[in-house]
Amino acid sequence: EDKVVQSPLSLVVHEGDTVTLNCSYEVTNFRSLLWYKQEKKAPTFLFMLTSSGIEKKSGRLSSILDKKELFSILNITATQTGDSAIYLCAVGARGGADGLTFGKGTHLIIQP
Amino acid sequence: DTEVTQTPKHLVMGMTNKKSLKCEQHMGHRAMYWYKQKAKKPPELMFVYSYEKLSINESVPSRFSPECPNSSLLNLHLHALQPEDSALYLCASSPYSQGNTEAFFGQGTRLTVV
Repeated sequence: EDKVVQSPLSLVVHEGDTVTLNCSYEVTNFRSLLWYKQEKKAPTFLFMLTSSGIEKKSGRLSSILDKKELFSILNITATQTGDSAIYLCAVGARGGADGLTFGKGTHLIIQP
Repeated sequence: DTEVTQTPKHLVMGMTNKKSLKCEQHMGHRAMYWYKQKAKKPPELMFVYSYEKLSINESVPSRFSPECPNSSLLNLHLHALQPEDSALYLCASSPYSQGNTEAFFGQGTRLTVV
C-alpha cells in the first residue's frame, strides 16, 4: 500500500522565521511528488517534483526531491502570517490509482 | 482560465434525499477526480475519470454515483447517504491521468447529511 508521511504534523513559529517541512514516501511506481497549500477550502498547487536534486523555487518557497532516500522538503523563508495553512504532500504513481495519495499534512501557524 | 468550479458550495441533505454535486473545468484537461476530505484529514481519492471513462473507483459505496457527461463536466450523484458521509467533496482535474501532472482543485462542496 502506498504511504506518504509528513512531519511535523504541526508547527508554530514567529513571523520572519524559516521553516522546513518534510515528506517521505513509499510508493510503487513513483512518478511525481506534489506540494499543496490548503487554507479554508481547496488545496492550491505549489510544486510538482519528478527529478532528484533539482530545486523548484517560487518566491520565498522552495522544494527539492531525493528519489534515492524517498523524501522531499518544502522550505519557506521569511515567513509571514499569510503562510499559515496546512501544507499537503501528495504522490502520484504510474498505473494503478492515477489519483494522488496524500500525507496527513503539516499544520503551520505563523505568529506575528 | 485555471479554474475548477464546483457547485453548490454548501449542501445539507436528509438521508432519503437525492442530490448531485457538479464540477466544471475549461482547461482542456482529460482527467477529472472526486476526492472526499473529512475534518483534519487529507483528501482521499474516490473516483478517477480519464477521457470521460471511469478508470478508478476506490471501493466507494454505491450510494455515490459519478457521471462524466463530457470532457468538461463531472457530476457526483448522491442517494441515501449516511451522516458519516458529511465531508468536503473536492473535484480536481489534470491534463491527463498518468500520475505525473499537477492536479488543480475546485473549492469543494461542504456536504452535511442530517
